[in-house]
Amino acid sequence: EVQLVESGGGLVKPGGSLRLSCAASGFTFSSYSMNWVRQAPGKGLEWVSSISSSSSYIYYADSVKGRFTISRDNAKNSLYLQMNSLRAEDTAVYYCARETRFLEWLSSDYYYYYGMDVWGQGTTVTVSS
Amino acid sequence: DIQMTQSPSSLSASVGDRVTITCRASQGISNYLAWYQQKPGKVPKLLIYAASTLQSGVPSRFSGSGSGTDFTLTISSLQPEDVATYYCQKYNSAPPNTFGGGTKVEIK
Repeated sequence: EVQLVESGGGLVKPGGSLRLSCAASGFTFSSYSMNWVRQAPGKGLEWVSSISSSSSYIYYADSVKGRFTISRDNAKNSLYLQMNSLRAEDTAVYYCARETRFLEWLSSDYYYYYGMDVWGQGTTVTVSS
Repeated sequence: DIQMTQSPSSLSASVGDRVTITCRASQGISNYLAWYQQKPGKVPKLLIYAASTLQSGVPSRFSGSGSGTDFTLTISSLQPEDVATYYCQKYNSAPPNTFGGGTKVEIK
């Protein structure tokens, strides 16, 4: 069964740090880019960060740039998010999500499209004094 | 960065109604758009990618269209199990891959 399981969430004071983990199983983890997406209480989805399969390409949302660090260990089938200098507005459920690249043919050309097709159940981060 | 704006933010419709949700990008994104469904208390689920291609297993009453800046998600005949919040997402190889604000769909 294809599965993602997050861990590491909890209650932390403003300015503190947390490290989230995401354990992947049931698929070839090293072949996929991965993402972190968060959802504040009662709010919508916010893309946080992504990392390519070999860690060559890493991106962050402006809201977390310089404070969060995404990484992965393909040997351990694991994705991480190191969160430093946490703020109250970082309070959210954090999901890891697999990015799948879909190939579509149009006439004689092909194009790649993307979607997050596997999601973990999420881990809750609460930043409060 | 490209902003994604959904409308309406919520809607209420009867079972069997045709429902349309709109997503607008602040710049052209060709058809690099995905749609997700998040049922209450559940994890988001990929419905559509490439603006109009249904993900495997998604019921055919869902459809997507559009290109450039304007996109729509249509539910041809609303069912009780479709109660959810729907999100569009600009999704290409150049992050940030921003989500729209979401559209909450309820049964009247």
